[in-house]
Amino acid sequence: QSALTQPASVSGSPGQSITISCTGTSSDVGGYNYVSWHQQHPGKAPRLIIYDVFYRPSGVSNRFSGSKSGNTASLTISGLQAEDEADYYCNSYASTSTRIFGGGTKLTVL
Amino acid sequence: QVQLVESGGGLVKPGGSLRLSCAASGIRFSDHYMSWIRQAPGKGLEWLSYISGGGTTIYYADSVKGRFTVSRDNAKNSLYLQMNSLRAEDTAVYYCVSSFSSINDYWGQGTLVTVSS
Repeated sequence: QSALTQPASVSGSPGQSITISCTGTSSDVGGYNYVSWHQQHPGKAPRLIIYDVFYRPSGVSNRFSGSKSGNTASLTISGLQAEDEADYYCNSYASTSTRIFGGGTKLTVL
Repeated sequence: QVQLVESGGGLVKPGGSLRLSCAASGIRFSDHYMSWIRQAPGKGLEWLSYISGGGTTIYYADSVKGRFTVSRDNAKNSLYLQMNSLRAEDTAVYYCVSSFSSINDYWGQGTLVTVSS
């Protein structure tokens, strides 16, 4: 059960768009449309922002979008805002009937 | 509104045991599969276990298989995690999550477990 691969950090200026990648294998990300993304602010519990690759729960801004191509899933945040500064984690269902997280990406809004 | 409240965390010696509880409210508890997820200090998230709504299907991460046992009592709207043979690397905040990674994904605030002599 190796962790999914995410960049350790990304940054962007307010108003810009950024994309965070999440790379797995055909046994997890590539094999199922069960990729989710969670946002975590310091000292807080994580919050779901994308599930099943591209669906947004109610209350999540449409500036957040998800996609997948092959073994790599992506989270795109458009129109960056200061409050988007947080850690972001991808997660995927795996063939072992377990779930695997990525290592997390720290987003800095410059 | 949905509320998940974890309890039972604390300081335990290596090799010791601890039982975490999670009290749920605001949801029809038996309709929701439940998960435990942990986060070591300064580290990322780690998925630990899944239990179906009826409690008949259970899965574990390899890192805790054979040491941790998840269970639930739907009559009490409660989820449990029995942790045995604890190690220093089990030190983390433990989160209870309902319907993880679905539209009904809700997290508790977590309970801290510290394994140290």
